[in-house]
Amino acid sequence: AQTVTQSQPEMSVQEAETVTLSCTYDTSESDYYLFWYKQPPSRQMILVIRQEAYKQQNATENRFSVNFQKAAKSFSLKISDSQLGDAAMYFCAYRRSSNQFYFGTGTSLTVIP
Amino acid sequence: GAVVSQHPSRVICKSGTSVKIECRSLDFQATTMFWYRQFPKQSLMLMATSNEGSKATYEQGVEKDKFLINHASLTLSTLTVTSAHPEDSSFYICSAPGVRGRYNEQFFGPGTRLTVL
Repeated sequence: AQTVTQSQPEMSVQEAETVTLSCTYDTSESDYYLFWYKQPPSRQMILVIRQEAYKQQNATENRFSVNFQKAAKSFSLKISDSQLGDAAMYFCAYRRSSNQFYFGTGTSLTVIP
Repeated sequence: GAVVSQHPSRVICKSGTSVKIECRSLDFQATTMFWYRQFPKQSLMLMATSNEGSKATYEQGVEKDKFLINHASLTLSTLTVTSAHPEDSSFYICSAPGVRGRYNEQFFGPGTRLTVL
């Protein structure tokens, strides 16, 4: 079974600063994808960034980047130049090749003005 | 772009009644859809995979007789919570795989908040 662990239930960052959210996962599969999703109070899941496991290069999306360490099964999210609108619940997610998602427990991010 | 809708967005029911939640892919077809459950301040837990034209596949620990899933068409999956009890109160989210640009992506519905009195 796939398990996804987020060890930081809450994090805070000063506006314009950088914050890193941690995620580890466990799997025996070789073909999978990793994601970070943001869930604001509306509860709508918003895709932040994706990483294909077969790609060694770390994904980047504007102010968001990941540090993907496949051997260590680690997938952290770095948010640069944090903005007030970044405040939300962040979920790390593992997606199987058959499209099922398994989510971590989430990290609640607070951005301090 | 691809959109997934859910209906109703909120439902309140009495204990012992059954509640049906619909999940629709609005402008694309989905042979599979997924149902998740989220308790307050907790993660999304995959409940089952809904398969068009065949039986749903349930995750370990999910009661298939309690949570009935029907994938009636390529754009509609329904989740029926049978004989609902207060402990079934939760936020239910569906998703469907689609394509955005050159990527395969998962599209999530806005969720349904179920409250069982």
